[in-house]
Amino acid sequence: QQQVKQSPQSLIVQKGGISIINCAYENTAFDYFPWYQQFPGKGPALLIAIRPDVSEKKEGRFTISFNKSAKQFSLHIMDSQPGDSATYFCAARGFQKLVFGTGTRLLVSP
Amino acid sequence: NAGVTQTPKFQVLKTGQSMTLQCAQDMNHEYMSWYRQDPGMGLRLIHYSVGAGITDQGEVPNGYNVSRSTTEDFPLRLLSAAPSQTSVYFCASRASSYEQYFGPGTRLTVT
Repeated sequence: QQQVKQSPQSLIVQKGGISIINCAYENTAFDYFPWYQQFPGKGPALLIAIRPDVSEKKEGRFTISFNKSAKQFSLHIMDSQPGDSATYFCAARGFQKLVFGTGTRLLVSP
Repeated sequence: NAGVTQTPKFQVLKTGQSMTLQCAQDMNHEYMSWYRQDPGMGLRLIHYSVGAGITDQGEVPNGYNVSRSTTEDFPLRLLSAAPSQTSVYFCASRASSYEQYFGPGTRLTVT
């Protein structure tokens, strides 16, 4: 049972474009929603995170949009660069556990 | 400050063999977790610990054991390896704050 549903599975964006990855959840007890970035052969690393009392959080080119009523949140990468090519995971935390989406492989073409 | 370290980086086992994946952190974090990563499945929680002497099961605990005798170490034991346990294993830790740090992973193949 996937508690956090992530889409798309893969994404190709041209350099300078906007990358958008979406996640949806069911459990209203989740209280923290991070996004992780993973490069091949490495462990995931925290990219940006949001709590449900905020509708948007921006850090540089990365923005999380959060819709509590729809139980959805998304990652926007503005001015996407080839160095952003990686796998991105959304996650949600509840009851001491972090539950992950299935991941999105992003390729930014030069 | 090495963060979260995992050994070995790669391992090949035969079906039925046992082994221990090592995980250590030097950040004095209370919480530690083990995940497995499989294509199309994301990261799934195997076991976790909220402090020394306290462990609990995650989503996919069958075939794995853990113990937490010290704050720093959280080994994962495979009792009798099966091909279905072929995966990349990640250990993670965090303090009481939310940010979770991951180790570099162990790639395990069971033949």
